[in-house]
Amino acid sequence: GAVVSQHPSRVICKSGTSVKIECRSLDFQATTMFWYRQFPKQSLMLMATSNEGSKATYEQGVEKDKFLINHASLTLSTLTVTSAHPEDSSFYICSAVQGSGYGYTFGSGTRLTVV
Amino acid sequence: AQTVTQSQPEMSVQEAETVTLSCTYDTSESDYYLFWYKQPPSRQMILVIRQEAYKQQNATENRFSVNFQKAAKSFSLKISDSQLGDAAMYFCAYTRGSGEKLTFGTGTRLTIIP
Repeated sequence: GAVVSQHPSRVICKSGTSVKIECRSLDFQATTMFWYRQFPKQSLMLMATSNEGSKATYEQGVEKDKFLINHASLTLSTLTVTSAHPEDSSFYICSAVQGSGYGYTFGSGTRLTVV
Repeated sequence: AQTVTQSQPEMSVQEAETVTLSCTYDTSESDYYLFWYKQPPSRQMILVIRQEAYKQQNATENRFSVNFQKAAKSFSLKISDSQLGDAAMYFCAYTRGSGEKLTFGTGTRLTIIP
């Protein structure tokens, strides 16, 4: 079946630094990738939708300059949290879609802690 | 905007018994897709079952089945013969088109009592 690899699984960074999270589709080409944020005991909130070769579409209230999303190829999307602050600490999950008619495949998530 | 509501923050069921998780949604679309996802403590999202709105027949996957009431915009999940491994957060999700963004409900935490 379709597999999405997300790295790192856990990361701790200092306040003010940037951290990059990678999401790779291993056995299919992902036309669209989604990035979600999940706070403890809460639901998944969509942050942005990225399509290969084009700019990401951000949900209302998500800071584009803070959460940089790049979808440079059909198998890789990255989320960079810039100038991280403790309030950015959260669980981030990516999801990839091969195309219309196909299902959604989720990465295993990244737990970000900003200290 | 589409919304998905799960009115049961927590549910519990005896092992081997049956439990039903509720989900309602709001949309103006006539064609769309509904999903139930399971998120165990590992936090990996696992697809449980999927329903296309144009299909009248309720989807089933082994012990999991749905009751899809399109007019009522209701999409409940029934888990039969509950097992300890079913313990998890369950999220109902909606998308207006295959491959488009998913909107998730707030989730129901299911506990299985041995």
